[in-house]
Amino acid sequence: ELKVEQNPLFLSMQEGKNYTIYCNYSTTSDRLYWYRQDPGKSLESLFVLLSNGAVKQEGRLMASLDTKARLSTLHITAAVHDLSATYFCAVGRVDSNYQLIWGAGTKLIIKP
Amino acid sequence: GAGVSQSPSNKVTEKGKDVELRCDPISGHTALYWYRQRLGQGLEFLIYFQGNSAPDKSGLPSDRFSAERTGESVSTLTIQRTQQEDSAVYLCASSPQAAGVGETQYFGPGTRLLVL
Repeated sequence: ELKVEQNPLFLSMQEGKNYTIYCNYSTTSDRLYWYRQDPGKSLESLFVLLSNGAVKQEGRLMASLDTKARLSTLHITAAVHDLSATYFCAVGRVDSNYQLIWGAGTKLIIKP
Repeated sequence: GAGVSQSPSNKVTEKGKDVELRCDPISGHTALYWYRQRLGQGLEFLIYFQGNSAPDKSGLPSDRFSAERTGESVSTLTIQRTQQEDSAVYLCASSPQAAGVGETQYFGPGTRLLVL
């Protein structure tokens, strides 16, 4: 059974600092997604990672995937207040082209 | 263009009543998904529609839950005889093509259901 764990679940940090959110999963997968959710808003797609060693960057966010370690990281560089949100990773089941297993989310608060 | 919309945005109901939740996907999107999100938890997959067909209903928590989609557009999720444990945010998502590797899902704002 595919399980997805994120850590930390809650992170409070100061503007300008760097930090990393981790997403571990328990069995083989062929796709991993990162989403952002602002309070009361829809989830917004950030990155799709499909292969071992994949790295994608958008602004101050960078995501990477290590399929051998079954680990993805979301790195935040020089955080700014606008990045405060809850970040979710979701991992695809290899036996299903539509089912994603979601992590519990990391609530990130960035203090000005 | 318009994104995924859901209605109502909030619903309070009494235990034992039936509720119907609506999702309007992005026009032309073939695939549609329903999820449940309990407070402080990740999303729980409920059901997937490819066109008007749901190839897999095994994610529905019980036989009190049902869903349909018509015209390859609007979808409704119905919960009969609601229970307090049904309280959650119900999210709908759509994607342009059939579900596949790398297909991005576009989410609606959700319906927050509270069963008293």
